Amino acid sequence: SAVISQKPSRDICQRGTSLTIQCQVDSQVTMMFWYRQQPGQSLTLIATANQGSEATYESGFVIDKFPISRPNLTFSTLTVSNMSPEDSSIYLCSVEVTQGQPQHFGDGTRLSIL
Amino acid sequence: SQQGEEDPQALSIQEGENATMNCSYKTSINNLQWYRQNSGRGLVHLILIRSNEREKHSGRLRVTLDTSKKSSSLLITASRAADTASYFCATPGGSGGSNYKLTFGKGTLLTVNP
Repeated sequence: SAVISQKPSRDICQRGTSLTIQCQVDSQVTMMFWYRQQPGQSLTLIATANQGSEATYESGFVIDKFPISRPNLTFSTLTVSNMSPEDSSIYLCSVEVTQGQPQHFGDGTRLSIL
Repeated sequence: SQQGEEDPQALSIQEGENATMNCSYKTSINNLQWYRQNSGRGLVHLILIRSNEREKHSGRLRVTLDTSKKSSSLLITASRAADTASYFCATPGGSGGSNYKLTFGKGTLLTVNP
């Protein structure tokens, strides 16, 4: 099991600005992930945050728009850059504590862009 | 093509009744997972069923898996108002037994009326 803390829990931002979301885990984990959940939709994987190397992005997501940091095995950040109203979503961090076991999720960051 | 399509999209029942949600997927899987998401919160893992299993129970939850039909169902018995949430199935696409690269279905919004 793992306890995941995400900050902020919600924010309202202006168009064109950027916001960095933090994800802190209470234990060292190998795999950390970032998902996006658009309003009324399911979750879509943005990228896998790799410790010590560049994140692995899924199709449709690019580093310039969603830069990710993973400085150690318990922490990661996701930045949503140059935001537009279409970026209004819930952004969730998850971890895989043990290989082959289900992922654990943070409570998410609810982001609204005006 | 999308993995994990749930139906129904929304389900409203009375407390004490049973709720059944279905999930279909398109490619071969090692396992299938069900998650619950309460409004405004992250996802909570409910149950994982492996491809060589046909049925699994956990408390009031019963999950079945039919790999020949590429489908799964989640049954919640004796529902409670606290079961009100969105329910998602997810299938992993990672290699080496990892559960990363989860693909989520669109989800079923369950409302249990007191």
